[in-house]
Amino acid sequence: AQSVTQLGSHVSVSEGALVLLRCNYSSSVPPYLFWYVQYPNQGLQLLLKYTTGATLVKGINGFEAEFKKSETSFHLTKPSAHMSDAAEYFCAVSDSQGAQKLVFGQGTRLTINP
Amino acid sequence: DTAVSQTPKYLVTQMGNDKSIKCEQNLGHDTMYWYKQDSKKFLKIMFSYNNKELIINETVPNRFSPKSPDKAHLNLHINSLELGDSAVYFCASSSVFGNQPQHFGDGTRLSIL
Repeated sequence: AQSVTQLGSHVSVSEGALVLLRCNYSSSVPPYLFWYVQYPNQGLQLLLKYTTGATLVKGINGFEAEFKKSETSFHLTKPSAHMSDAAEYFCAVSDSQGAQKLVFGQGTRLTINP
Repeated sequence: DTAVSQTPKYLVTQMGNDKSIKCEQNLGHDTMYWYKQDSKKFLKIMFSYNNKELIINETVPNRFSPKSPDKAHLNLHINSLELGDSAVYFCASSSVFGNQPQHFGDGTRLSIL
């Protein structure tokens, strides 16, 4: 069975500061990993994904994440936070990108301080 | 140009009633999903259909019955609603081929009085 743990249910950073949201996964097969963002009263929007190949993946809105197999981690970073980044962020794992189910972490609420 | 659309966006009803949520996608995907997000924001898959065939059925009460009339539509019918059914229900779609990730609708917020 697959699982995801997001360390920190709430992260608060100042505008312009580094954003780091932590995600660790457990999977018995090579994982496909995703970060989704959810703005208030909206659905989930894909930020970035890792399937195979390059372990550093870049996504939308300046976010990136690095797949580290040895650490079973897929942390999300952004060099400089903007007020518009305030949202709920979800890390998810699946064993394929197609018809398999996504297993989500519990989410991390990101707050940006002016 | 909405990709995955759900109706209604909000649903308020009383315990014991039967209600349906509809989902449509115009992305040409062959697989659709229902997820439940509880009050603590935790997301869990409920069902998945591929070309109108049920392929994922998690531990969900049989009061919940998905129906897929065609691969662009996946509806969720809930019988005898209970207080614990209050949640946000998300529909999603993806393609088995072409390495496409899942695309989500905006959700249906179900409140049971």
